[in-house]
Amino acid sequence: EAGVTQSPTHLIKTRGQQATLRCSPISGHTSVYWYQQALGLGLQFLLWYDEGEERNRGNFPPRFSGRQFPNYSSELNVNALELEDSALYLCASSSTGTWDEQFFGPGTRLTVL
Amino acid sequence: DAKTTQPPSMDCAEGRAANLPCNHSTISGNEYVYWYRQIHSQGPQYIIHGLKNNETNEMASLIITEDRKSSTLILPHATLRDTAVYYCIVRVTGTASKLTFGTGTRLQVTL
Repeated sequence: EAGVTQSPTHLIKTRGQQATLRCSPISGHTSVYWYQQALGLGLQFLLWYDEGEERNRGNFPPRFSGRQFPNYSSELNVNALELEDSALYLCASSSTGTWDEQFFGPGTRLTVL
Repeated sequence: DAKTTQPPSMDCAEGRAANLPCNHSTISGNEYVYWYRQIHSQGPQYIIHGLKNNETNEMASLIITEDRKSSTLILPHATLRDTAVYYCIVRVTGTASKLTFGTGTRLQVTL
């Protein structure tokens, strides 16, 4: 069974640009979660999508947004990039929205110059 | 969601039990305790979760105090491959409550 996949693996942008990160959940999973892991910090919850709807978001500004497609894959968009947005962005999926067991992807490392 | 406090780092000899503590003194009655770990350069991995009873699975045991204000994750026979950052999280399952991973405990298993 294929795991959670994310693309791209690495992404380099400059300040002010926009970044788009993609995630494909495990087949059959309807919930997708996005996390940010900045250097030296723990995982910070960003967004939770379930059945195409945004269910919850963490304490991040509105320039962090996303969506979930009918096939349950998801996109994370970061507008007006700032240097401190440089981080590893992790996507996870679960079979329900109960968050009992999330399976994580390998992440996308975003570097903002 | 309740906040958690974990020691920043711990060492454990290979073959010994690793006991990782977590304080969650503001935990609510309907909040579960979850443990994840993140091995370097990989995504986090679910380990175990529980509400108030002790739990055990093939990876670890979770001991929750009677007042539920703290818990301990036990890796009964630590191996070098258990070297990772371990995250303790409390949250209400099945709801849209927000959640935050803290900085976790960096467990170093040594020969």
